[in-house]
Amino acid sequence: NAGVMQNPRHLVRRRGQEARLRCSPMKGHSHVYWYRQLPEEGLKFMVYLQKENIIDESGMPKERFSAEFPKEGPSILRIQQVVRGDSAAYFCASSPVEPGTTIYFGEGSWLTVV
Amino acid sequence: GQQLNQSPQSMFIQEGEDVSMNCTSSSIFNTWLWYKQEPGEGPVLLIALYKAGELTSNGRLTAQFGITRKDSFLNISASIPSDVGIYFCAGRGNAGNMLTFGGGTRLMVKP
Repeated sequence: NAGVMQNPRHLVRRRGQEARLRCSPMKGHSHVYWYRQLPEEGLKFMVYLQKENIIDESGMPKERFSAEFPKEGPSILRIQQVVRGDSAAYFCASSPVEPGTTIYFGEGSWLTVV
Repeated sequence: GQQLNQSPQSMFIQEGEDVSMNCTSSSIFNTWLWYKQEPGEGPVLLIALYKAGELTSNGRLTAQFGITRKDSFLNISASIPSDVGIYFCAGRGNAGNMLTFGGGTRLMVKP
């Protein structure tokens, strides 16, 4: 896990508020992935980004969720108007530019919607 | 989409016993990865497999990439209490660079 930095580690939001989760990839990595994990379940793919590009967002809900990976700064996963069902652990992962390489995960951001 | 079936879902074993878990898929994967997750933490990579038939060890852990490219197993020998956690397989196919995860195997070790 060393190198992929996520913050905040824990976030509590009231229903209807916005949640912003940040991810800084490992040094030298230009690919970022976001996964969601519900309690007692496996990780579900949400979105795959490169710098300034969304490569695949097939796992991301069509409404309220968005992601970006700007030229400068961390990747952001944004959840608008949160609902209780959004409560989950959100993991960011990164990999180098070469295809087929290993993907490393951060320690996650735990979102609780009250 | 691609799906991975991981079994068993949970195991409760005695310290010192060997453990085996596996993942199967209906589609071909080019890469198999095995991760361990402990409570409140992210998945930590244990073993990465890149070629069909590949057998790789990491200490007491051994994993193999099935020759059909549709399955993989992970063995843990002489289990110890710190092996406790959830073990996930993950596969990467031809459709992009992202990983598909199995449902996890929860391992509990009795001292």
